Amino acid sequence: GAVVSQHPSRVICKSGTSVKIECRSLDFQATTMFWYRQFPKQSLMLMATSNEGSKATYEQGVEKDKFLINHASLTLSTLTVTSAHPEDSSFYICSARHPSRAFFGQGTRLTVV
Amino acid sequence: SQQGEEDPQALSIQEGENATMNCSYKTSINNLQWYRQNSGRGLVHLILIRSNEREKHSGRLRVTLDTSKKSSSLLITASRAADTASYFCATDPFTGANSKLTFGKGITLSVRP
Repeated sequence: GAVVSQHPSRVICKSGTSVKIECRSLDFQATTMFWYRQFPKQSLMLMATSNEGSKATYEQGVEKDKFLINHASLTLSTLTVTSAHPEDSSFYICSARHPSRAFFGQGTRLTVV
Repeated sequence: SQQGEEDPQALSIQEGENATMNCSYKTSINNLQWYRQNSGRGLVHLILIRSNEREKHSGRLRVTLDTSKKSSSLLITASRAADTASYFCATDPFTGANSKLTFGKGITLSVRP
């Protein structure tokens, strides 16, 4: 099956700093990738749809300037959490469809201290 | 927004028993998918059932779909301790790389050895 790789798996950062999370499709091209946020024991909340070569589409209530998404190639999308605060601590997951199934990265546990 | 609603929210069974999980949704779909998530990890695709299908099997998994009732069920037969995980249904409005899946709240399955 297709593989989506996400890095880092865990990151701890200081409040006010920025953190970049990478999502790569290893054996297929993904013009679209999806970024989710998941709180403990809850479902996935779609944050944004990342589109290769164009601007990301953000879901209602998600701050574009807070969560910067760049999809510069057909195999790489990045999510940057800018000026992180403790309330941004969460589990972030990316995925890409190929072709009908969604393949997910391993997730990134972000802790802001 | 969350469309799928699974029930029960938590299920605890003995190894060897069958586990049945239900999912209800609200809008029209092209297909419905079930995913599994181990704690702290990304989601793994289990099975996809299209809107014109009523039942599908894959190994120990059996999924049904009733579009008139807007509901689906996932049956895991002869459960194993390794089946312990969270299970999510996801509805797909149309199939394609840029189609957004909407995930339910999830069911936590515990299989006791």
